[in-house]
Amino acid sequence: NAGVTQTPKFQVLKTGQSMTLQCAQDMNHNSMYWYRQDPGMGLRLIYYSASEGTTDKGEVPNGYNVSRLNKREFSLRLESAAPSQTSVYFCASRTIRPRDPEAFFGQGTRLTVV
Amino acid sequence: AQSVTQLGSHVSVSEGALVLLRCNYSSSVPPYLFWYVQYPNQGLQLLLKYTSAATLVKGINGFEAEFKKSETSFHLTKPSAHMSDAAEYFCAVSGPGGYNKLIFGAGTRLAVHP
Repeated sequence: NAGVTQTPKFQVLKTGQSMTLQCAQDMNHNSMYWYRQDPGMGLRLIYYSASEGTTDKGEVPNGYNVSRLNKREFSLRLESAAPSQTSVYFCASRTIRPRDPEAFFGQGTRLTVV
Repeated sequence: AQSVTQLGSHVSVSEGALVLLRCNYSSSVPPYLFWYVQYPNQGLQLLLKYTSAATLVKGINGFEAEFKKSETSFHLTKPSAHMSDAAEYFCAVSGPGGYNKLIFGAGTRLAVHP
């Protein structure tokens, strides 16, 4: 099993450009998450999807949109990239089974906006 | 709503010394609590989890954590540090069930010196 797969791994954007970060999981998980990681700030939740067809804002949603395309895939879109969105982005997924509530993470996407 | 506070952004210990990383949480519902570890340029790996069963939880690599409801704490300990423990450690909280938000603390970077 691949687990959680994120593409691309690295990306450089110019200010104002748009892009979509892709995330797919093959563990049949219901919930999926997008985080950004910045030095000294830990992981901050951007958006999450508790199940197929639902999405909710996290701690830092401004400047981002998401789509839960199906149960496997959860994409994050930057419509007009800004230097403040330079960060490492992580996707995660987890089951709703109470005994196995831990999240599994992808390897991250390192995004630089110049 | 949930939140996590990790006391100490950097902790330094000698090899063989006790490791203590502090985590306090806030939650309006019974919490699920997690510790994750991140090695340089990698994703996050689960160390251990608390899901309202035993209050003393044992994880991988000799780490353990104790849930103390009265103190709203979930501190991570390891009796004897090893050089390979040098990494960044994150505490996280969610409500019961994998359909909830999963909120992380700011992280603690552990250095282990000879």
